Amino acid sequence: DAGITQSPRHKVTETGTPVTLRCHQTENHRYMYWYRQDPGHGLRLIHYSYGVKDTDKGEVSDGYSVSRSKTEDFLLTLESATSSQTSVYFCATRGQGSEKLFFGSGTQLSVL
Amino acid sequence: AQKVTQAQTEISVVEKEDVTLDCVYETRDTTYYLFWYKQPPSGELVFLIRRNSFDEQNEISGRYSWNFQKSTSSFNFTITASQVVDSAVYFCALSEAGNTGNQFYFGTGTSLTVIP
Repeated sequence: DAGITQSPRHKVTETGTPVTLRCHQTENHRYMYWYRQDPGHGLRLIHYSYGVKDTDKGEVSDGYSVSRSKTEDFLLTLESATSSQTSVYFCATRGQGSEKLFFGSGTQLSVL
Repeated sequence: AQKVTQAQTEISVVEKEDVTLDCVYETRDTTYYLFWYKQPPSGELVFLIRRNSFDEQNEISGRYSWNFQKSTSSFNFTITASQVVDSAVYFCALSEAGNTGNQFYFGTGTSLTVIP
């Protein structure tokens, strides 16, 4: 399996505070993704990246921004966290020419 | 419109029973990929299978089998002789080759409980 590390694994924060989640991969995969998982909604794409400094929005991108300054790191930022952003966040990667997604272990974020 | 539909939200079976998880997809692409992922109670997402749109041959892997039918846009997953360790949430997913970055669309998942 791809070496994907998400940090932190758990975070509790207050409404209105900024939060950054980090995804680090050691497989040199080109594509990286951020998903959120909520009951009844499955996995929904927030943002994805198809290369260093190349990112695009997914279906639930409002309130989130991302950055990818290095191949191995993909950061997800909540500029001002809201309770609706309480969720489990998964990072995923995919190699060039591969159709298989590899997932990190997830980050449980609670916004109080 | 939902690109991947898993109509079964929750299923409970008694151990050793067979169970089929349904997945219906929607796409206009001629080249696409279908996947099943398993999420056990520990929370990680485990890849089970990938199928491309040109390969309709059914696949069997131990107690798992997959039935891909383009005519009905379905990619169903059967577990034979279920075991307690099969208890998990199962996600079906679609990837369309025409999209930049190959966005993956996931169904809402089916929660399977196998009762000992």
